[in-house]
Order: sequence, then structure tokens, then C-alpha cells
Amino acid sequence: IAGITQAPTSQILAAGRRMTLRCTQDMRHNAMYWYRQDLGLGLRLIHYSNTAGTTGKGEVPDGYSVSRANTDDFPLTLASAVPSQTSVYFCASKINGAAGELFFGEGSRLTVL
Amino acid sequence: AQSVTQLGSHVSVSEGALVLLRCNYSSSVPPYLFWYVQYPNQGLQLLLKYTTGATLVKGINGFEAEFKKSETSFHLTKPSAHMSDAAEYFCAVREDSNYQLIWGAGTKLIIKP
Repeated sequence: IAGITQAPTSQILAAGRRMTLRCTQDMRHNAMYWYRQDLGLGLRLIHYSNTAGTTGKGEVPDGYSVSRANTDDFPLTLASAVPSQTSVYFCASKINGAAGELFFGEGSRLTVL
Repeated sequence: AQSVTQLGSHVSVSEGALVLLRCNYSSSVPPYLFWYVQYPNQGLQLLLKYTTGATLVKGINGFEAEFKKSETSFHLTKPSAHMSDAAEYFCAVREDSNYQLIWGAGTKLIIKP
């Protein structure tokens, strides 16, 4: 089934540890995004990639890094996790040529203690 | 800068009653507007969108929204609520400069039996 796969679905992490959230899509969408969702704040864009080989910073990029080595994969790395990074993280891709139709993964719930 | 305001973090309606979720935006140019829905423990999915043309747009599951330029609004409605409509709803506007989506904080729709 075509879509976006995120892993892990849930993780508890000690502060200071490194963590990579994985995101893979099989729809050949050019643009991909990482958002974090926090209660009362809606979705905030962390990083994005308009096409393989390029990335850009979103609204809240500090403490996060991404790479886009190919079209399908867009991992998000927390180099040294802090409790304020406790959140639900969503990966999304944009349908090629569409105005703003994003296709979302199921989310990764991260707790940093 | 563009922004999106959703009035009411929680809206409660009885099953069978009218659903009205409010969204106001700010934009200096004709906007592209979206409603997304998030069911519990899932990612977001597109409900409907306005780009150009007819100001009343119909979406999935019986929802519709009307773009009113004079009121800078894009309110979401459904004539008769079902229990299955219980979810969080997000309004978004497409940013002019980089085509990213600007998100509202979300409204949680609660359906009373």
C-alpha cells in the first residue's frame, strides 16, 4: 500500500542521547516535511526538502538535522535530545504539482526524560 | 506574514446537530486554504481545499467550507454530526513566499450522543 512509513512509532529516550526518526515514502513525491505537534500549538515545521539533495529550515529547526540522500527517505536526527523535544513528530510529503495537499505518516511519539 | 486563527480549541455538538468550525486567515493575496482532519492516533488527512473558482467547496464525509474574502474566513460546516466525526480539525493557508503551509492551532470536535 502506497504511503509514508515512520519508525519508531513510539520511543522513550534519555536526555543527551542521539535519536533518528525514520521516514520513507513510496509515492515518488518530491517535497517532504518534518513537523512536530504539541498541544495547543498545532503543527510546527522543523525542516523540509523540496527535492532530493536539498533541505531547508522551518519554523523550529534548532536541535534537529535532516538529510535527503534520495527521493524516498527523509530521516530526522536529534543529536542530543532534551526534554523540550518531547512531542509527536509527523513526516509528510507533498503531491507533485499540488497546491498544498500533504500526505502524512502516522507519527512518532517521542518522550525525552 | 500570513497567519491562521481557529476560534475555539474545543467544540462540542450533539449527534445530528450542525457542525461549525471557525477559521480566519490573514493574507495579502488571494489565498489557498485547506482543512485537514486528524483522527485519534493518526496522521492528518486532507478534508477539502480552496484554490480558485467556486467559493463553496465540498470535501469528504459531508463537510464543506466557504471562502469569504470580505470576512477573511474559511469556516468548516457539516449539516448533521456523526459520532465518527470526532477528531481534531486543522485549518491552513499556503504561504506566498515559499508555498509552505501555515497552520492553525486546531479545534477538537467532540460529539455528544
